[in-house]
Amino acid sequence: DQQVKQNSPSLSVQEGRISILNCDYTNSMFDYFLWYKKYPAEGPTFLISISSIKDKNEDGRFTVFLNKSAKHLSLHIVPSQPGDSAVYFCAGVTRLDTGRRALTFGSGTRLQVQP
Amino acid sequence: GAVVSQHPSRVICKSGTSVKIECRSLDFQATTMFWYRQFPKQSLMLMATSNEGSKATYEQGVEKDKFLINHASLTLSTLTVTSAHPEDSSFYICSARDVAGGTQYFGPGTRLLVL
Repeated sequence: DQQVKQNSPSLSVQEGRISILNCDYTNSMFDYFLWYKKYPAEGPTFLISISSIKDKNEDGRFTVFLNKSAKHLSLHIVPSQPGDSAVYFCAGVTRLDTGRRALTFGSGTRLQVQP
Repeated sequence: GAVVSQHPSRVICKSGTSVKIECRSLDFQATTMFWYRQFPKQSLMLMATSNEGSKATYEQGVEKDKFLINHASLTLSTLTVTSAHPEDSSFYICSARDVAGGTQYFGPGTRLLVL
């Protein structure tokens, strides 16, 4: 059972335009969500997070929107740059017990920003 | 910013040998560390969650006797792949969560190739 789904395996956008990466989830118990960026043969890099009690969080060119009723979140990158080309993972975070949490990752979306 | 290192970055070993991978948080204390595995073109798969000074919690389907995890200090966790087989060849990534907050910082990953 995939609790976190990224239904678009790939996305291509022109430099300067907006990139929108989508993520759907089924687990209502996620405390917050994270977006990571991953280059080949490297570990993921944390980008931005959003608490389950918020509907928007913005950090520079990156904005994450959360729609709890639809169990949907999206990452907006604007303007997109060629260096943004990577695989983007969304992850839901649940509390296992006091002090411990677990991440559940989506399958990732490969973003290609064309110069 | 927080830095997590992994050693070695790449290892090639013969089938039947054991391989140890270290994960260190370099500028913060991590009460919780996570070990992930990534197969080609697939999402990160959480293998286990380890807390300093206690036994690791393994995800369903992950053999604890095969993947030994030791989290002996607040800055070091080790993953030992025992009696490695070619099917254990993969990209192993650790992450560490600092004692102050919920954000996880990822290591750069270790590529294991078992011949």
